[in-house]
Amino acid sequence: NAGVMQNPRHLVRRRGQEARLRCSPMKGHSHVYWYRQLPEEGLKFMVYLQKENIIDESGMPKERFSAEFPKEGPSILRIQQVVRGDSAAYFCASSPPLYAGSNEQYFGPGTRLTVT
Amino acid sequence: QQPVQSPQAVILREGEDAVINCSSSKALYSVHWYRQKHGEAPIFLMILLKGGEQKGHDKISASFNEKKQQSSLYLTASQLSYSGTYFCGTGEELTGGGNKLTFGTGTQLKVEL
Repeated sequence: NAGVMQNPRHLVRRRGQEARLRCSPMKGHSHVYWYRQLPEEGLKFMVYLQKENIIDESGMPKERFSAEFPKEGPSILRIQQVVRGDSAAYFCASSPPLYAGSNEQYFGPGTRLTVT
Repeated sequence: QQPVQSPQAVILREGEDAVINCSSSKALYSVHWYRQKHGEAPIFLMILLKGGEQKGHDKISASFNEKKQQSSLYLTASQLSYSGTYFCGTGEELTGGGNKLTFGTGTQLKVEL
């Protein structure tokens, strides 16, 4: 059973460009979360999605950041007009549906974004 | 608010035991423990739910004290592979059955020969 997959693993963008980060949850998982980790810090919640729905985006910056989880395909975290402060590791996690009786979150390998 | 972990860092010799504490200023619904090695993804260790029992597997176990709003992770007979940063995450139940995790400050653990 493949784990959570993220790509790209490393992404370099110049200031002002757009960054697109992709996440495919574990098979059978319908909940996707995005977290950001700045160097030498803990993980910070950004957004929680189910298929075609954003459930909670209380951790997302109000501007330039957006997320989606379409009916088909991976979840996408999109950062427009990147700035140096966006440089961080972005982790995706997934968990099974509620009826599975478990809400453990499993993390992907992360995408390390560097803005130059 | 971010849960507070203690100690911030600890160095062990192989075979020694360690306890990592996680305290929250908010009532706890669930506590999730992870270990992260540098440059890698956090690895899930265990989850403790409100009203649940102490959990463990192999030589790692954890407890959850709802009244004190804290959880402790117990590592016994530590191995070199236990090295890494340990994070606790306090869970907040969300609409739709999800869990928003607020992660603690982290505890750096190093096991030496």
